[in-house]
Amino acid sequence: ETGVTQSPTHLIKTRGQQVTLRCSSQSGHNTVSWYQQALGQGPQFIFQYYREEENGRGNFPPRFSGLQFPNYSSELNVNALELDDSALYLCASSLGTSGGQNTQYFGPGTRLTVL
Amino acid sequence: AQSVTQLDSHVSVSEGTPVLLRCNYSSSYSPSLFWYVQHPNKGLQLLLKYTSAATLVKGINGFEAEFKKSETSFHLTKPSAHMSDAAEYFCVVSRKRGTGTASKLTFGTGTRLQVTL
Repeated sequence: ETGVTQSPTHLIKTRGQQVTLRCSSQSGHNTVSWYQQALGQGPQFIFQYYREEENGRGNFPPRFSGLQFPNYSSELNVNALELDDSALYLCASSLGTSGGQNTQYFGPGTRLTVL
Repeated sequence: AQSVTQLDSHVSVSEGTPVLLRCNYSSSYSPSLFWYVQHPNKGLQLLLKYTSAATLVKGINGFEAEFKKSETSFHLTKPSAHMSDAAEYFCVVSRKRGTGTASKLTFGTGTRLQVTL
């Protein structure tokens, strides 16, 4: 069984640029959630994709957007990067058949630094 | 709305002594509760979860947690700490919802566990 993978591991961008982060979900999972973890804080929910549709969103502006593909892999796109976007971005996959009880399995994360 | 409060930002124990990491939750609905662990520069690993079955939940690596509705608590314990337990621990609440709806996880601010010789 393949776990959740994310790429790249680290990324450095400058303010105003755009970035795309990628996530491959665990085999058999159809739901992907994205979280932002700022230094010294707990992860914050960005959004979730279920069967290629956005299925819930946290308090993040529209410049945070995503996609889920037919193979259930996912992308997180961030436009017009700001310094405060510097964080660890975590992807989690789950089998979305019974709502909040489903265990979300996390990838190792992508460390984004905005200069 | 749902939230969790981790009562200690930092806990230090000696190897071989018990571990207690405290968590209180708030939820308007019947919650699912989780503990995740994060080692330095690593992703999050699930330790255990509560989903309305037994109130005493056993997890991996000897950890367990007890759901106490009357106290709105879900404290994490381990009888004997090991050096490898040193990490950041997150208490997490999720609302149970219907099929296909968002299962947003709400994390606490974390407790850093230090284990000394």
